[in-house]
Parts: sequence; structure tokens; C-alpha cells
Amino acid sequence: GQQLNQSPQSMFIQEGEDVSMNCTSSSIFNTWLWYKQEPGEGPVLLIALYKAGELTSNGRLTAQFGITRKDSFLNISASIPSDVGIYFCAGRTGGSYIPTFGRGTSLIVHP
Amino acid sequence: SAVISQKPSRDICQRGTSLTIQCQVDSQVTMMFWYRQQPGQSLTLIATANQGSEATYESGFVIDKFPISRPNLTFSTLTVSNMSPEDSSIYLCSVVNRVWDTEAFFGQGTRLTVV
Repeated sequence: GQQLNQSPQSMFIQEGEDVSMNCTSSSIFNTWLWYKQEPGEGPVLLIALYKAGELTSNGRLTAQFGITRKDSFLNISASIPSDVGIYFCAGRTGGSYIPTFGRGTSLIVHP
Repeated sequence: SAVISQKPSRDICQRGTSLTIQCQVDSQVTMMFWYRQQPGQSLTLIATANQGSEATYESGFVIDKFPISRPNLTFSTLTVSNMSPEDSSIYLCSVVNRVWDTEAFFGQGTRLTVV
């Protein structure tokens, strides 16, 4: 089946630093999604990307849909303590409403 | 987006017993799913809950262990049967509304510990 490789697995950064994480796939996706999960909560959708090359922002978050359609990255600028959580990438093919999830990137921000 | 309520939010259960988790959505949705998230792991799809018919299970999950009901377009239940410590996980309800062409939204999850 499809597999998503998400990296890094974890990040420990200082408040104010920029963060970058990425996701690669062995197969093509038509949709890339980025979710954030905070402790004790379910994943919350941050950004959805639908077109190869698309660059989309949501506040301090920016995500891009790779040209090859096999990768995506998420950047967080000027991190703050409330950015702490696990960030999941997910890919979806055109014929399915069910995303395939990466293993997540755990982000810890030190004040 | 739909508001999804899961109950209970957490529970500690004895091995050999069963727990039923409820998922209530504030609006009609076309698709409902159940995921398992083991400690420190990603989300694994258990099954698609089909209204008025048997759920569609993913490889490695069976109806006897994870019976699912979906009597209408706003409600579903997942039962974890004959529990063992290996069933300790977060169980998540997810919905998609194909009418509005939305992506998957999630409930807050049920944290289950089996002792």
C-alpha cells in the first residue's frame, strides 16, 4: 500500500525559530493535507493542497504541494509555545475520501 | 465544519470486558470512519461505518473484535470487544461530508487503557 515518510520525527526548538518538516511518498497523491494534534485532542486540519506546485498559507504556516505530486512540506515561521503538538501529513488520491497518514512530527517549543 | 462529539473521552477498563464508544455529529455527514492511534504512532483506519449496513473493515481488523453501528447520518458507535492491554490506544471518529466536498474532520478521541 501507499506509504508516507515524514521527517523529522521530532523537533526541539527555541521560541521564535522557524520550523520545516516534510513528507514524501512512493506514489502520487492528488491532495496533500497537514493536520495538527494537541495532547488529548483529535487532529485538526491546518492546510489542504489540491494542485501540484500550490503554495498555501494559514497565518504563520505555509505548505507546498510538490511538483512531482509525491511530496509536500510545511513551514512554521516564528514559532510560539502554542505551536507544540504533533503535525501529521496526509495524502489522498482522487478516487478516495480516506487519507493516508504519515507517522507525524512531534514539535516542542522552548520559551 | 461539523462538530464531532465522542464519548467517553477516556476510560480504564479491565481485560476481557468490552467498551462502546459513541460518535455524534451535529449535522448529517456522508461518511464516518473509525481510527486507532497507538501510543506514539500514526493513525490507522479500522473501518468505514456504513449507514444501515455492515461496516467495511481494513486489513487486520474484524467485526467480532470491533463491531460498528451507524443507524443514521449523524451517529456511530465502535465497540472494542474482549479487551486486552494491546488494545490500549486512542480511538478516533472521523467524518467527511461529500456534499460539501470536505476533508476528514476528527473527534477529540477516546483514550482507552486496558489493565
